[in-house]
Amino acid sequence: AQKITQTQPGMFVQEKEAVTLDCTYDTSDQSYGLFWYKQPSSGEMIFLIYQGSYDEQNATEGRYSLNFQKARKSANLVISASQLGDSAMYFCALQYSGAGSYQLTFGKGTKLSVIP
Amino acid sequence: DTGVSQDPRHKITKRGQNVTFRCDPISEHNRLYWYRQTLGQGPEFLTYFQNEAQLEKSRLLSDRFSAERPKGSFSTLEIQRTEQGDSAMYLCASSSFGASTEAFFGQGTRLTVV
Repeated sequence: AQKITQTQPGMFVQEKEAVTLDCTYDTSDQSYGLFWYKQPSSGEMIFLIYQGSYDEQNATEGRYSLNFQKARKSANLVISASQLGDSAMYFCALQYSGAGSYQLTFGKGTKLSVIP
Repeated sequence: DTGVSQDPRHKITKRGQNVTFRCDPISEHNRLYWYRQTLGQGPEFLTYFQNEAQLEKSRLLSDRFSAERPKGSFSTLEIQRTEQGDSAMYLCASSSFGASTEAFFGQGTRLTVV
């Protein structure tokens, strides 16, 4: 079974500071993918960053980077230079490819609030 | 706008009524997913289409739920005899073929059963 755990229900960060959102996962698969999505109050899930299980380097996308520690089964999201527009729910998701559907298993999310 | 679109955005229905939601994926995407999201939770997988074939269904998808994707383009999700527990956000997502391709989500349909 695939499982994602996000232990921080809510986080606060000062504008322009960096923040780390935690994500641990559980899977018996050798090949998998990890995604982070942002969900503003409008409801749409916005893709942020992807890390494959065989990728040797940590993924980066602009202000987003993923701290991938495979042995510890963690995939933490780091947002640098926080902006007010970063206030949203953030979801970590595990992609399961075994059945061919590549469906995503999501965590419960972390609500990030950026303080001016 | 070339993103995933869902219609309607909001639906209020009485318990026992049938409802149908529509999803228009990104045109070149052959994979389409339905997810359900309840308050305080992450989205949960419901079903998956590859082109017009429904290849996977979650155990969450009771017999009252049915989904179609005729001709491999838009998709519909129907809930028959709605119950209060069906109240949730229903999200549609699409992606192209491949392991590491991200899914693009629509803005969802928020269903309230009264």
